[in-house]
Amino acid sequence: AQSVTQPDIHITVSEGASLELRCNYSYGATPYLFWYVQSPGQGLQLLLKYFSGDTLVQGIKGFEAEFKRSQSSFNLRKPSVHWSDAAEYFCAVAPTGTASKLTFGTGTRLQVTL
Amino acid sequence: SAVISQKPSRDICQRGTSLTIQCQVDSQVTMMFWYRQQPGQSLTLIATANQGSEATYESGFVIDKFPISRPNLTFSTLTVSNMSPEDSSIYLCSVGRGLNTEAFFGQGTRLTVV
Repeated sequence: AQSVTQPDIHITVSEGASLELRCNYSYGATPYLFWYVQSPGQGLQLLLKYFSGDTLVQGIKGFEAEFKRSQSSFNLRKPSVHWSDAAEYFCAVAPTGTASKLTFGTGTRLQVTL
Repeated sequence: SAVISQKPSRDICQRGTSLTIQCQVDSQVTMMFWYRQQPGQSLTLIATANQGSEATYESGFVIDKFPISRPNLTFSTLTVSNMSPEDSSIYLCSVGRGLNTEAFFGQGTRLTVV
């Protein structure tokens, strides 16, 4: 069975600082990997996805993530955080061939200080 | 992407009653899923809604408690039966257009059971 670990429950960064949110997965093969963001009272929005190919993927809102097979990781990064980035971030994995059937990590709540 | 409409957006229900949540998509989709997000928690997959046949439930979820219908490729319902306060959660519908396409989410239904 697949699983996702997000070690950081809560992270606080200053506006303008860089950000890295960690995600480790467990899956027998190369899975499909995703980052979603959930703002208060909002649904989930897809930030970026990895299916295959280039291991560094670019997403919306200036986010990027790097797939590292050797570390079973898919960490999310942003070089300069904006106050509007404060939200809950979920890493998710899907089995090959069913990209929309997701197993989510526990989430990381990002707080941005001015 | 997909435009997903969930109804109701929120409800407060008495324990022992049932609530049916509707999910309508603006165009035909291959995959439809239902997730539960308990307060302060991540999302957990309840079941895959199969068009024209019984839903496929994940471990820990049963049809008697969460009956699901999917009469066509654009519509599904989830019923939360015989509710208790522990059923207070956000219930989200998600869809995938194909086997290898990402999931899109509705805004969710916030359910409070009193």
